[in-house]
Amino acid sequence: QSALTQPASVSGSPGQSITISCTGTSSDVGGYNYVSWYQQHPGKAPKLMIYDVSNRPSGISNRFSGSKSGNTASLTISGLQAEDEADYYCNSYIGSSTWVFGGGTKLTVL
Amino acid sequence: QLQLQESGPGLVEPSETLSLTCIVSGGSISSSGDYWGWIRQPPGKGLEWIGNIHDSGSTYYNPSLKSRVTISIDTSKNQCSLKLSSVTAADTAIYYCARRRGGTSGLDSWGQGTLVTVSS
Repeated sequence: QSALTQPASVSGSPGQSITISCTGTSSDVGGYNYVSWYQQHPGKAPKLMIYDVSNRPSGISNRFSGSKSGNTASLTISGLQAEDEADYYCNSYIGSSTWVFGGGTKLTVL
Repeated sequence: QLQLQESGPGLVEPSETLSLTCIVSGGSISSSGDYWGWIRQPPGKGLEWIGNIHDSGSTYYNPSLKSRVTISIDTSKNQCSLKLSSVTAADTAIYYCARRRGGTSGLDSWGQGTLVTVSS
């Protein structure tokens, strides 16, 4: 059960858009539409931002969007704001009712 | 609003068993189709899925931890529990409990997490 691959860090200026990738295989990301994304600020619990590849929970800004192509899922944040600076994790179903997280990406808002 | 709260010893000796409880309030732990899971995060590192339990009692574990993990549910107390045996320093982490609605991929409710340190 290997962790999904995410870039260690990404950065962007306020107002810009950034995309965080989450690469797996046909046995996880590519095999199911069960990818979710979490935002984690320092010292806080993770917060669900996207589920089932592209769905936003109630209360999550439409600046956050998710997509998937092949074995890679992506989280896009548009109109970057200072409060978006956080760690982001993807999570994917890998079959047999088991799941795996990505290694995490640190987003810096310049 | 659903709230989850982890509790348990903050310090566990090596080779002993780590035991944590997740108390659920604002909703029933036996709601049809929900999964109750445990996730951990070593200090300064990423998230690791430990396992989860369906409200029917079926359990699913991370293969790398399966031999040492037991997750159970107590509907009368509205709580679920995690036991991790034969702990080492590598098990030092913040442990979170979280809920996943059946049929979806999102962990939509999380506890605040509890730090467990393995040390003598």
